[in-house]
Amino acid sequence: ETGVTQSPTHLIKTRGQQVTLRCSSQSGHNTVSWYQQALGQGPQFIFQYYREEENGRGNFPPRFSGLQFPNYSSELNVNALELDDSALYLCASRRQGPYEQYFGPGTRLTVT
Amino acid sequence: DQQVKQNSPSLSVQEGRISILNCDYTNSMFDYFLWYKKYPAEGPTFLISISSIKDKNEDGRFTVFLNKSAKHLSLHIVPSQPGDSAVYFCAAGSGAGSYQLTFGKGTKLSVIP
Repeated sequence: ETGVTQSPTHLIKTRGQQVTLRCSSQSGHNTVSWYQQALGQGPQFIFQYYREEENGRGNFPPRFSGLQFPNYSSELNVNALELDDSALYLCASRRQGPYEQYFGPGTRLTVT
Repeated sequence: DQQVKQNSPSLSVQEGRISILNCDYTNSMFDYFLWYKKYPAEGPTFLISISSIKDKNEDGRFTVFLNKSAKHLSLHIVPSQPGDSAVYFCAAGSGAGSYQLTFGKGTKLSVIP
């Protein structure tokens, strides 16, 4: 059984640029969530996708957007990058319902 | 507004003794609680969960206790091992919120050999 994978591992971008992060869900999981983890903080929920539709969103501006594909893989897009967007971005997948989420290793984004 | 709080940033325990990590929450809608362990440069690893219909769940060395009236949960690790040294996150979710998770800030556990 393949776990959650994310790419790239690390990324450096300049303020104002756009970035796309990718995630492959664990086999059998149809729900994917994205989290932002700043240094010294817990992961903060960005949004969640189920059956290619966004079905939950945290307190993040619209320049954070996402997609889920028919194979349940997902993308996180961030436009107009700001310095405060520098963080570890985590993807997690699960079956729909009250089941544990399994996390990928994360993408470390640095905005300069 | 922090809905999930882990008030101890760090905890040190001798190998073989019990580690107790605490978590408080404010949102009475939460009905599902989880603990995750995180090593540096890795994603969080699921440890154990508990539904609000239970007050205890056990898995090997890990036990989670839930006190709904106090809005408090704790994770007990017995016996503690040096490999348990990591940051532990408490998380909560609800069906009303499609089980998106709200995390605490974490507690760094150090198990001293």
